[in-house]
Amino acid sequence: NAGVTQTPKFQVLKTGQSMTLQCAQDMNHEYMSWYRQDPGMGLRLIHYSVGAGITDQGEVPNGYNVSRSTTEDFPLRLLSAAPSQTSVYFCASSYTPWTSGRRTGELFFGEGSRLTVL
Amino acid sequence: TQLLEQSPQFLSIQEGENLTVYCNSSSVFSSLQWYRQEPGEGPVLLVTVVTGGEVKKLKRLTFQFGDARKDSSLHITAAQPGDTGLYLCAGVGNYGQNFVFGPGTRLSVLP
Repeated sequence: NAGVTQTPKFQVLKTGQSMTLQCAQDMNHEYMSWYRQDPGMGLRLIHYSVGAGITDQGEVPNGYNVSRSTTEDFPLRLLSAAPSQTSVYFCASSYTPWTSGRRTGELFFGEGSRLTVL
Repeated sequence: TQLLEQSPQFLSIQEGENLTVYCNSSSVFSSLQWYRQEPGEGPVLLVTVVTGGEVKKLKRLTFQFGDARKDSSLHITAAQPGDTGLYLCAGVGNYGQNFVFGPGTRLSVLP
């Protein structure tokens, strides 16, 4: 029962360092996404993908890159970390509604990755 | 940008009390979802409401979608400590895959 797996769970970076948050799902979901969660601001969409080879920007994409080479994996890259990127990051996936016979998708979330940038 | 507002932001009640939390938007969504998030975990879907005026019940939780599909409410009857958590509403847009989240209502139910 793996579902959505995120690594690492905790990370501390210095300003200017780079790193990659890993996300993998084993549910054969086409849709994958990355959110950041900050106090009082809910979940804000960073990037999303509707299938392998296809990515698009969400509400707060600046400072982050993504790629989707396989259906299973959707890594999030921070190229030059800034203190404003201190947050809890969630990866989520969803089945495709129209191929599942449903009206809408459902997001399945990982357990989150807590990132601190000093 | 479609924005969702939730109220109240924080709610602390005694076990056995009833409560209602609200989710409002100026935009119309094809459907609306409610998620619950516990500390250290990701959100988990509670319910999806699709039709304007729809009411769904999940044990002690009652969810309602506004007639105009812009707002929703979550009512909990006889709250229990296990209901403690962050309740998030999410508007679902085109193609059933564009999810916009509200800021959440943090509920604490004291024994």
